[in-house]
Amino acid sequence: QVQLVQSGAEVKKPGASVKVSCKASGYTFSSYAIQWVRQAPGQRLEWMGWINTGNGNTKYSQKFQGRVTITRDTSASTAYMELSSLRSEDTAMYYCARGGSTTGFDPWGQGTLVTVSS
Amino acid sequence: QSVLTQPPSVSGAPGQRVTISCTGSSSNIGAGFDVHWYQQLPGTAPKLLIYGNSNRPSGVPDRFSGSKSGTSASLAISGLQAEDEADFYCQSYDSSLSGSYVFGTGTKVTVL
Repeated sequence: QVQLVQSGAEVKKPGASVKVSCKASGYTFSSYAIQWVRQAPGQRLEWMGWINTGNGNTKYSQKFQGRVTITRDTSASTAYMELSSLRSEDTAMYYCARGGSTTGFDPWGQGTLVTVSS
Repeated sequence: QSVLTQPPSVSGAPGQRVTISCTGSSSNIGAGFDVHWYQQLPGTAPKLLIYGNSNRPSGVPDRFSGSKSGTSASLAISGLQAEDEADFYCQSYDSSLSGSYVFGTGTKVTVL
């Protein structure tokens, strides 16, 4: 079955970077975009960016431009999201999801909790 | 960053019908971009409920239905059940600010 499995929880200090992985299985990885979405505690979903897994092109939310980098390794069917210059407000659950504007995002990874604390 | 506006909460008794609105603008829903809906049960990842304004993925009960008109969209849940208690989010694409995906503010559905 189509599945996205993310890396485990992270605890980081302010100013550090975090890199979250998202491993896909059950379909042809390079045929579908991967999206990254985060959700701060008790808050709404917030789109961060996406990657065209076929050619590696990316698009980022203006809010995160300059701090976020999304990459992929097609040989490992894995996408990555790296967020730098972390601050306490970046404490959130980070999700990857497959899909785009006409299909919606489906499925979603289980989420990776990133905690930023000194 | 543009957002789609939803009511913070809706409630209904078991068996009743509830609707959730999602209000956008001329740069997202009004521009013709599809609206998708997600259900998020407590402590879990969101799950696609409706895609392309009114389509249900395989496995989603037909109690859930979606519609879109102008700059707004709606999700209806008929025959409300206890297990429907969750947060619901709408989502679309926005052509402003060089293009981005936008989510709604979220609606908590409570089954009385």
